[in-house]
Amino acid sequence: SQTIHQWPATLVQPVGSPLSLECTVEGTSNPNLYWYRQAAGRGLQLLFYSIGIDQISSEVPQNLSASRPQDRQFILSSKKLLLSDSGFYLCAWSLSVSTNEQFFGPGTRLTVL
Amino acid sequence: QKEVEQNSGPLSVPEGAIASLNCTYSDRGSQSFFWYRQYSGKSPELIMSIYSNGDKEDGRFTAQLNKASQYVSLLIRDSQPSDSATYLCAVISGSARQLTFGSGTQLTVLP
Repeated sequence: SQTIHQWPATLVQPVGSPLSLECTVEGTSNPNLYWYRQAAGRGLQLLFYSIGIDQISSEVPQNLSASRPQDRQFILSSKKLLLSDSGFYLCAWSLSVSTNEQFFGPGTRLTVL
Repeated sequence: QKEVEQNSGPLSVPEGAIASLNCTYSDRGSQSFFWYRQYSGKSPELIMSIYSNGDKEDGRFTAQLNKASQYVSLLIRDSQPSDSATYLCAVISGSARQLTFGSGTQLTVLP
């Protein structure tokens, strides 16, 4: 069966510091991978999605970037965090382009102070 | 107009009752519809998918889709306190085939 991991689980960072969040998927090959952000009390906002290694699409222009160095690894980064970057960051995977059922990892809760 | 709209709630129902959660969407070309459950502080969990008009049942959950009215709903029969969570409606719309989420409905099942 497939599993998805995210780390760290929680993170407190000062404004202006860098960020690196990691997501890995086990038990499948060539998944579609997604990064979402959920701000407090709000819905999920798609940040990036990837259909393959080094194939990244950005949905929202901002100070975040994403990379996919390996088939089942997806990384979210920032060079300088803003207060507005605080939120719950969720990685998700899907296999089927036709149905696009997406399954979420446990998430990383980021607080920028 | 938001692409996917849900009543934010909170919706409270007594234990054993039927909880009815509603969602409307704006893109008439949408083809795939999903319900996720999200417990406080946790990530969303996929509980139902529906792709064609009508009802789809899975245990105590029934998803209903009406594409003509651009409406999808989730019924939870015999509601339990463990069903208390936020329920997110999600729709695949547009040529990008990406999920668009509603803001969620908070459900509380009272013992």
